[in-house]
Amino acid sequence: QVQLVQSGAEVKKPGASVKVSCKASGYALTSHHIHWVRQAPGQGLEWMGLINLSGGGTSYAQRFQGRVTVTRDTSTNTVYVEVSSLISEDSAVYYCATEPTGTGGCDHWGQGTLVTVST
Amino acid sequence: QSALTQPASVSGSPGQSITISCTGTSSDVGSYNLVSWYQQHPGKAPKLMIYEGTKRPSGVSNHFSGSKSGNTASLTISGLQAEDEADYYCCSHAGSGTYVFGTGTKVTVL
Repeated sequence: QVQLVQSGAEVKKPGASVKVSCKASGYALTSHHIHWVRQAPGQGLEWMGLINLSGGGTSYAQRFQGRVTVTRDTSTNTVYVEVSSLISEDSAVYYCATEPTGTGGCDHWGQGTLVTVST
Repeated sequence: QSALTQPASVSGSPGQSITISCTGTSSDVGSYNLVSWYQQHPGKAPKLMIYEGTKRPSGVSNHFSGSKSGNTASLTISGLQAEDEADYYCCSHAGSGTYVFGTGTKVTVL
């Protein structure tokens, strides 16, 4: 059974960067994508980007291009999302999720990481 | 990339059927069979209910079903139950490895 465990809550000042981790366990996710999705308080889900675990290729939502970076560490089965130049509107719960490649559906989700951007 | 359009709320009585629509464009919903649907209860992570437009993951009740026509996908909940009360989101592949979510629909069981 796949399990995704994310890093703990973060509080950052405007202009700073934050890096959230997502450690996968259970079985080898060689034929999967890891997606990052965020949800601001009281708002809907917003797709941010993904990484292909087999080749390391990435794709990002247009609005996050240049400000969001998704990386992986294959030795620890951990994926990261880094958001730079934080503004208050980046305050949200950030989720990672796995998608068996080619299905378009994220079948396992992390517990979420709350990022608060505040002076 | 604009969010897919969903009704803000849908309601029904126990045992009734409801349908949630998800309208996109020819660049996303209309071009790919990679539409998924998620259920989210307050304070919880989303749960996959439908993938590839019509397929149910193992363990998801068969009273959930998905369909698509043109640029609009739909989720039908047959035999509405109290535990189905939640927020529902559609999601579609939008080309070049990107995805877009819908605006979300709050389902209320009367």
